[in-house]
Amino acid sequence: EAGVAQSPRYKIIEKRQSVAFWCNPISGHATLYWYQQILGQGPKLLIQFQNNGVVDDSQLPKDRFSAERLKGVDSTLKIQPAKLEDSAVYLCASSSGTFTDTQYFGPGTRLTVL
Amino acid sequence: ILNVEQSPQSLHVQEGDSTNFTCSFPSSNFYALHWYRWETAKSPEALFVMTLNGDEKKKGRISATLNTKEGYSYLYIKGSQPEDSATYLCAFPATDSWGKLQFGAGTQVVVTP
Repeated sequence: EAGVAQSPRYKIIEKRQSVAFWCNPISGHATLYWYQQILGQGPKLLIQFQNNGVVDDSQLPKDRFSAERLKGVDSTLKIQPAKLEDSAVYLCASSSGTFTDTQYFGPGTRLTVL
Repeated sequence: ILNVEQSPQSLHVQEGDSTNFTCSFPSSNFYALHWYRWETAKSPEALFVMTLNGDEKKKGRISATLNTKEGYSYLYIKGSQPEDSATYLCAFPATDSWGKLQFGAGTQVVVTP
């Protein structure tokens, strides 16, 4: 079974530039999550999709971050414009969607904002 | 406890030694506790999903116990090997969102030969 795919793996940009990350979840998983992991902290949920609808985006900085999940499969997360504090690992995960279901993670994108 | 807390933040272990560390979580409205292992440059890997008080799960040399009444879980590594070096994360489902996990900051384990 193929795992969660993410690209790119690494990205370095200047502040105020834009960046986009892509995620392809495990086939058949209805729920997709984007997490932000800042060094020294645990992953923090940015946005959760159920199929192609947003379930939770309460911690997404909507003035600069946006995300979409086209046709309930692939997803993109965009930052525009980036700030220094956006430097982090961005993880995508997918699951069947309940409290007890395992979330399967991709390898993440390490973003450095200079 | 309002959030998920893990201790210690990091530990160094000699190869062959056993070790353990703690995850503390809110004891009210318990649904499940997840443990993940995250090796550098790899995807976080699911270790266990624990749901019942007194639950004990095992995967190779790694095991975990759960006490939902007092709000803690222990993860044990028996006979540590260099390949056990990783950050171990625990996560607790938030009650305000379906499936949303609140993660602890992790325990970084370094096993030296």
